[in-house]
Amino acid sequence: AQKVTQAQTEISVVEKEDVTLDCVYETRDTTYYLFWYKQPPSGELVFLIRRNSFDEQNEISGRYSWNFQKSTSSFNFTITASQVVDSAVYFCALSEAGYYGGATNKLIFGTGTLLAVQP
Amino acid sequence: DAMVIQNPRYQVTQFGKPVTLSCSQTLNHNVMYWYQQKSSQAPKLLFHYYDKDFNNEADTPDNFQSRRPNTSFCFLDIRSPGLGDAAMYLCATSRPTGVHNEQFFGPGTRLTVL
Repeated sequence: AQKVTQAQTEISVVEKEDVTLDCVYETRDTTYYLFWYKQPPSGELVFLIRRNSFDEQNEISGRYSWNFQKSTSSFNFTITASQVVDSAVYFCALSEAGYYGGATNKLIFGTGTLLAVQP
Repeated sequence: DAMVIQNPRYQVTQFGKPVTLSCSQTLNHNVMYWYQQKSSQAPKLLFHYYDKDFNNEADTPDNFQSRRPNTSFCFLDIRSPGLGDAAMYLCATSRPTGVHNEQFFGPGTRLTVL
């Protein structure tokens, strides 16, 4: 069965600290996609990144970076020099194929990590 | 700006009184999704449309229905809301081209059942 585990329920850091959010997934598929979404207090889920199972290169986007390791089934997210605006719930998600050849997909979300960045 | 819009943002209904939540999109995406997110939990897919084709998740209660009259609009109908249906309801869209495209979410409608 597909499953995503975010063991960290809440993390609190002080502004400018680096923080890593952990994500561990389970799947029997050889081809799969992983996502990170941010949910600020306003409620809207904001897409951050998509990674397919064949691309293990780490990615950096500004202060954000992602470390994908198939050997440990992990897809961790690091925020460098955190800011108050980074305060949100962060969801890791696994995409389950099956509909219309992948044209639509079901996202299996982890339970989220609440990040609080204190000024 | 192209976007996903949900109305109302907050909805209060009474136990057993039917309620309809609406979602519209200006992205012209073929696929629209409805998720339920209870407090401090992950979003859970209820169903989705690929154009007019409706796909219901196996564990979605019959109490939840959906309509999509055209590409831009999708409605979530809760026929007889119970206290356990109080949640945030999120609408999302995606393009069908390519594989496993990201989903674009609206701000959600928070439903309270009294």
